[in-house]
Amino acid sequence: EADIYQTPRYLVIGTGKKITLECSQTMGHDKMYWYQQDPGMELHLIHYSYGVNSTEKGDLSSESTVSRIRTEHFPLTLESARPSHTSQYLCASSVNREKLFFGSGTQLSVL
Amino acid sequence: AQTVTQSQPEMSVQEAETVTLSCTYDTSESDYYLFWYKQPPSRQMILVIRQEAYKQQNATENRFSVNFQKAAKSFSLKISDSQLGDAAMYFCAFWPNSGYALNFGKGTSLLVTP
Repeated sequence: EADIYQTPRYLVIGTGKKITLECSQTMGHDKMYWYQQDPGMELHLIHYSYGVNSTEKGDLSSESTVSRIRTEHFPLTLESARPSHTSQYLCASSVNREKLFFGSGTQLSVL
Repeated sequence: AQTVTQSQPEMSVQEAETVTLSCTYDTSESDYYLFWYKQPPSRQMILVIRQEAYKQQNATENRFSVNFQKAAKSFSLKISDSQLGDAAMYFCAFWPNSGYALNFGKGTSLLVTP
């Protein structure tokens, strides 16, 4: 049902590497979100966007950055990955508050 | 601050039995949405059920139903005739009119035993 895609599904990378997690949706949604899910499974909002050229930081401080140059694309970048960045990253989109569509997530492991 | 509390980190139910997962939330707003999401081991977040605060009638979706008590700020999920495939993490979530995104509880891990 959900046309929102995240790549890669799994990523294992060494400390200090720059990484970009991709998120794309084909539903034309203006609102997009990144959640970080820690090993204890709790979800925290780290970034959100209400449209092109709009990005905001979420409730949990994150060293990652995001961009929104096209409506359908909302990538997340870590300039220098560290073991503390090891987590599951979930991308989501919505039209309004009635429903949030989630991608399958990227499981990031930084060694 | 608007918070969502799930007081049961883990629950267990036998196949075909009924289980209720608890959720409370804290807000001063009257207009909001409440949700239950399921996250199986695949980690895909799946919407189970949604409740609009202005609707007094409890939402139902097949074997899933909620008990929405607005005055008590309580939103519990009842799963009837539990199946092995119901085993997952269940997250209660809240989206107020003034909010910019979903706020999630910490989750309840549901185990279904044969």
